[in-house]
Amino acid sequence: DQQVKQNSPSLSVQEGRISILNCDYTNSMFDYFLWYKKYPAEGPTFLISISSIKDKNEDGRFTVFLNKSAKHLSLHIVPSQPGDSAVYFCAASARAGGTSYGKLTFGQGTILTVHP
Amino acid sequence: EAGVAQSPRYKIIEKRQSVAFWCNPISGHATLYWYQQILGQGPKLLIQFQNNGVVDDSQLPKDRFSAERLKGVDSTLKIQPAKLEDSAVYLCASRRLAGPSVQYFGPGTRLTVT
Repeated sequence: DQQVKQNSPSLSVQEGRISILNCDYTNSMFDYFLWYKKYPAEGPTFLISISSIKDKNEDGRFTVFLNKSAKHLSLHIVPSQPGDSAVYFCAASARAGGTSYGKLTFGQGTILTVHP
Repeated sequence: EAGVAQSPRYKIIEKRQSVAFWCNPISGHATLYWYQQILGQGPKLLIQFQNNGVVDDSQLPKDRFSAERLKGVDSTLKIQPAKLEDSAVYLCASRRLAGPSVQYFGPGTRLTVT
């Protein structure tokens, strides 16, 4: 049961253009969403997050959009840079209640390649 | 602030052997997680500790995997005996007890079982 899905295994973008990475979820209890970036031989690094009370959160070149009715979120990177080339994971958490407080459920990841 | 430390970074063992991984979380982080990441997949939670107590080990294959966090700081994850399908990267993460669910990850240990 894949509760968080990233349906695009890879994405290739030209430097300076916009990168859009997508993520869908099925569990309506999820109320906090995160994006992580992972370089080879390193652990995932936190990038940006959004609470379900918001529909947009922005941090520099990175913006995350949340559409609760569609159970869909996306990460926009503008402008894309070659250093952004990495694997991007979306993750979801149900913050309230239960013994799995703070537990993250991850998608499969999308490999982003930004060409100079 | 020092990040999450893990060792070893790489390990190669034969099937049926045992192996142990070590993790030291960020200072002050009460919650510690162990994840297994198989190539091409996202990290999958194995076990979650809060201080030295287990909060969630529902995904831990308890017939061969064990983990402990005796003093509520560093933690070890053990596999005994290892199987070929245990080849993966084992990630440790930590977070503060309160506040947003942002977890901070270590570099991981890449395990190859031959």
